[in-house]
Amino acid sequence: SYELTQSLSVSVSPGQTASITCSGDKLGNKYASWYQQRPGQSPVLVIYQDTKRPSGIPERFSGSNSGNTATLTISGTQAMDEADYYCLAWDSSTWVFGGGTKLTVL
Amino acid sequence: QVQLVQSGAEVKKPGASVKVSCKASGYTFTRNVIHWVRQAPGQRLEWVGWINAGNGNTKYSQRFQGRVTITRDTSASTASMELNSLRSEDTAVFYCATDTSGSDAFDIWGQGTMVTVSS
Repeated sequence: SYELTQSLSVSVSPGQTASITCSGDKLGNKYASWYQQRPGQSPVLVIYQDTKRPSGIPERFSGSNSGNTATLTISGTQAMDEADYYCLAWDSSTWVFGGGTKLTVL
Repeated sequence: QVQLVQSGAEVKKPGASVKVSCKASGYTFTRNVIHWVRQAPGQRLEWVGWINAGNGNTKYSQRFQGRVTITRDTSASTASMELNSLRSEDTAVFYCATDTSGSDAFDIWGQGTMVTVSS
């Protein structure tokens, strides 16, 4: 079965750039989406179709996807961005989530 | 506005079944699919399956195949997920989610339903 791999945690200082990666076989040939989940809350879509931002998501969130790796980039990270982030892709009629990355804003 | 509202928390004994519902509003229910996602305490999101709300077709994760049934009631704009043969590791929050804009993503999520399996 298809697997998506994320690093367990990423730390960043306020105002700096955070990069969260998601790896899977030929992931660049699929659409990746990204979800932010704060403690006790439902996930929120922040990036879809690799690079697009839903209405209401700040411009500091951006995405890319090529080869085997999709990347979520948060520019000018703020304390409110501290959360778990999950990638998601579709493969062989099923949906697969990555294991999640905890972003800590120090 | 577009929203998914789920049924309340459940406590079940091992071996029992649970049924969680998800009521949609603010869009045409039969145009989209409804997904179900499980999240055990402190764990990752896990896709359970989906239903095409228009024609009722379903697809389940192999991990849950044989134990889960997803249905919909178009007259009530509601999708439901029933999980059988519950075990302690099924203790989790279950979310429903949908794609309302053809985004190949889950853009609207329900508030989640906590299911506790305990003897």
